[in-house]
Amino acid sequence: AQKVTQAQTEISVVEKEDVTLDCVYETRDTTYYLFWYKQPPSGELVFLIRRNSFDEQNEISGRYSWNFQKSTSSFNFTITASQVVDSAVYFCALSEAEIGSGGSNYKLTFGKGTLLTVNP
Amino acid sequence: EAGVAQSPRYKIIEKRQSVAFWCNPISGHATLYWYQQILGQGPKLLIQFQNNGVVDDSQLPKDRFSAERLKGVDSTLKIQPAKLEDSAVYLCASSLIFPAAGGSQFFGPGTRLTVL
Repeated sequence: AQKVTQAQTEISVVEKEDVTLDCVYETRDTTYYLFWYKQPPSGELVFLIRRNSFDEQNEISGRYSWNFQKSTSSFNFTITASQVVDSAVYFCALSEAEIGSGGSNYKLTFGKGTLLTVNP
Repeated sequence: EAGVAQSPRYKIIEKRQSVAFWCNPISGHATLYWYQQILGQGPKLLIQFQNNGVVDDSQLPKDRFSAERLKGVDSTLKIQPAKLEDSAVYLCASSLIFPAAGGSQFFGPGTRLTVL
């Protein structure tokens, strides 16, 4: 069974600090996808990134960067120079393909989320 | 491009009453998902449709929850009768059908249900 662990329940930083959100996953599949979603106070889950299991290249998008390490089953997310608008709950998620009669089923399993508060 | 639409945004009912939620996915997305998110937890998949067929409903409490997607586009999720523990945010998501999409799901704003 797939599992996602976000050990940090809450993190509080001061604006302009860098912050890293940890994500550790468990899966028996060799093909899988990892995701990060942001959930601001408005409640909508905002898609941030998808990474497949064969691509261990780190990715940078503006102030956001992701570090994928298969050796430690981790997919950590770093926000550089944090801003108040970054305050939200961040979810890491894992998707494995289940092949059934209805076709491929990519079921998402979410971690419990990390509440990030960025103070001015 | 319009995102996933959901209504209502908020609903307050008493236990044993019925309630229904509506979702309109992103145009062209054949796969539709309903999730339940209890406060302080990550979303949990209730049911997944591919076009108008059910792919996975293993975590749907079928004694009180039902969902349909009759024409392969809009979907409704119903709870009848509601219990206190059904208080949660109900999220709808959609994704492209092709495996190459890797299951990138896009979420609606959710419906916050409070059962008194």
